[in-house]
Amino acid sequence: EVQLLESGGGLVQPGGSLRLSCAASGFTFSTYDMSWVRQAPGKGLEWVSAIGGSGGRNTYHADSVKGRFTVSRDNSRNTLYLQMNNLRADDTAVYYCAKDRGSGWYNFDYWGQGTLVTVSS
Amino acid sequence: DIQMTQSPSSLSASVGDRVTITCRAGQTISHYLNWYQQKPGKAPKVLIYAASNLQSGVPSRFSGSGSGTDFTLTISSLQPEDFATYYCQQSYSTPATFGQGTKVEIK
Repeated sequence: EVQLLESGGGLVQPGGSLRLSCAASGFTFSTYDMSWVRQAPGKGLEWVSAIGGSGGRNTYHADSVKGRFTVSRDNSRNTLYLQMNNLRADDTAVYYCAKDRGSGWYNFDYWGQGTLVTVSS
Repeated sequence: DIQMTQSPSSLSASVGDRVTITCRAGQTISHYLNWYQQKPGKAPKVLIYAASNLQSGVPSRFSGSGSGTDFTLTISSLQPEDFATYYCQQSYSTPATFGQGTKVEIK
């Protein structure tokens, strides 16, 4: 059974940093591209970042987070990360990790339960 | 970025109704279109991928159609558990983009 378990969310002041983790199990993690998608309170879904499978050489970020967020992965630990720096109030959201189904980018077949990031003073 | 526009933004329907949600892409995206269902406090769940393919385990009352710029999600007979918000999403190009969502409420 595929499972994705996010952690690392919490309350942080504007300008602060957080690192989110997503522990994966139930599939060959290194084979699949992975993404982070966020949802601000009461709002819709916004793709944030993506990383390729084996080696993770390919990474992509939304313009809204480019230069502040960095996606990475440790295939030996079956874990996806999102390093978030210089956080702003509009980064407040539930952050989901999502697994690609393997037929090109951004075709998400499994999602984690999400972790809440609140940026506030 | 490819803009995805859903209509309607919300709808009220009764159990047993046929429900149709449309999604329009700002440029052609071939069949690179996914549909998700989200219930309050829960993660999204994929219903349809590649415009018309039913995700394993999803009831057959859900179906998707379309290609190019215009797509449709149809629920043939609405069930109580189908009251939720539905999102379309294009996977044609980076950045992936979602529609604004369609909330299906009980009439």
